[in-house]
Amino acid sequence: AQTVTQSQPEMSVQEAETVTLSCTYDTSESDYYLFWYKQPPSRQMILVIRQEAYKQQNATENRFSVNFQKAAKSFSLKISDSQLGDAAMYFCAYRRPSNSGYALNFGKGTSLLVTP
Amino acid sequence: GAVVSQHPSWVICKSGTSVKIECRSLDFQATTMFWYRQFPKQSLMLMATSNEGSKATYEQGVEKDKFLINHASLTLSTLTVTSAHPEDSSFYICSARHVYNEQFFGPGTRLTVL
Repeated sequence: AQTVTQSQPEMSVQEAETVTLSCTYDTSESDYYLFWYKQPPSRQMILVIRQEAYKQQNATENRFSVNFQKAAKSFSLKISDSQLGDAAMYFCAYRRPSNSGYALNFGKGTSLLVTP
Repeated sequence: GAVVSQHPSWVICKSGTSVKIECRSLDFQATTMFWYRQFPKQSLMLMATSNEGSKATYEQGVEKDKFLINHASLTLSTLTVTSAHPEDSSFYICSARHVYNEQFFGPGTRLTVL
């Protein structure tokens, strides 16, 4: 089974500072997708960033970037210039291969608190 | 962007009754839809994968007779919780897979069974 582990239940960051959320995963596949999702209090899942395993370049979306270490099976999310609106639950997710329907396996999540 | 809706957003029912939750992809066709369950302050757990025109594939430990899934069209999947009990109270989230394999999530349905 492809498991996803987020070891930080809660993190706190001051506004305008940078924070890194950790994620590790386990898989025997060579090509796969990884995602970070944000879930604000509304509980709507919002895609933050995606990374395809065969691409060596780390994905970046504005203030959000990842550090993808394929050999170590590590996929951390860095949020720069944190804003109050970044406060939410963040889930790391692994997309199962096609023979498993492309469903997502989620980590347990990290609750991010942003302080003024 | 692609939009997925869920209806109802919130439902309260009595123990022993059945509740149906709809998941619709509004502006794209989804050959595959997924149903997740989320308990308070916990992660999303996949319940089943629903393919249009075929039987759903349930995750281990999910009772297929309790959680009936129907995917009758390329834009609609339904989850029916049969003979609901208080322990079925949860937040149910669907997602729909776009042709390029990205998933889009519905806003979720909060089910409370009294």
